[in-house]
Amino acid sequence: GAGVSQSPRYKVAKRGQDVALRCDPISGHVSLFWYQQALGQGPEFLTYFQNEAQLDKSGLPSDRFFAERPEGSVSTLKIQRTQQEDSAVYLCASSLSYRGPLAGGRTGELFFGEGSRLTVL
Amino acid sequence: QQQVKQSPQSLIVQKGGISIINCAYENTAFDYFPWYQQFPGKGPALLIAIRPDVSEKKEGRFTISFNKSAKQFSLHIMDSQPGDSATYFCAASPYNNNDMRFGAGTRLTVKP
Repeated sequence: GAGVSQSPRYKVAKRGQDVALRCDPISGHVSLFWYQQALGQGPEFLTYFQNEAQLDKSGLPSDRFFAERPEGSVSTLKIQRTQQEDSAVYLCASSLSYRGPLAGGRTGELFFGEGSRLTVL
Repeated sequence: QQQVKQSPQSLIVQKGGISIINCAYENTAFDYFPWYQQFPGKGPALLIAIRPDVSEKKEGRFTISFNKSAKQFSLHIMDSQPGDSATYFCAASPYNNNDMRFGAGTRLTVKP
């Protein structure tokens, strides 16, 4: 596909259940990000990958959150023992390259998927 | 921790009017300032972006004004249309890394 694809689009989990959210970035995009968007709020950074390397996981709210991108393409965000406060839309974004002085135009533009809406009952 | 503060939370404008959304930041390391547009059920999409070496950038009906000394920037939508009704997010990051921080969003409604 042409864009960032996320699945499932909607997930309802019982409190205490584990969930896994998948992100297929745009082919060839080096950078991949996960954001959490609470209702009526802006996206909050969770974690960042450059290829398969997780360079920043400072936004993960607890050790129940885990993300991986083993082959530098598809990424999975896993939430263990879900809690009600985990209910949110989880957005994945990818970008063509690591943005820096040599990057031009919109090279650093983030392309977002439509998100996975998680509801924890 | 909201590193980028956005206002207003919601905005109603008549068709043909000017929509203005404001953002302020604290971190002087920020030097890339994009605006994203989000429709219900969709992910945010880049609308327009600016770096602080210019004070204004215009693309069609959308203009970013940037005030480096005040650490503020704003989005102006000229001749607002009902199709512009969406949530708008300002964001900021240091140019040499990907640590993008978003504002809380402004829900814009353009009445026909």
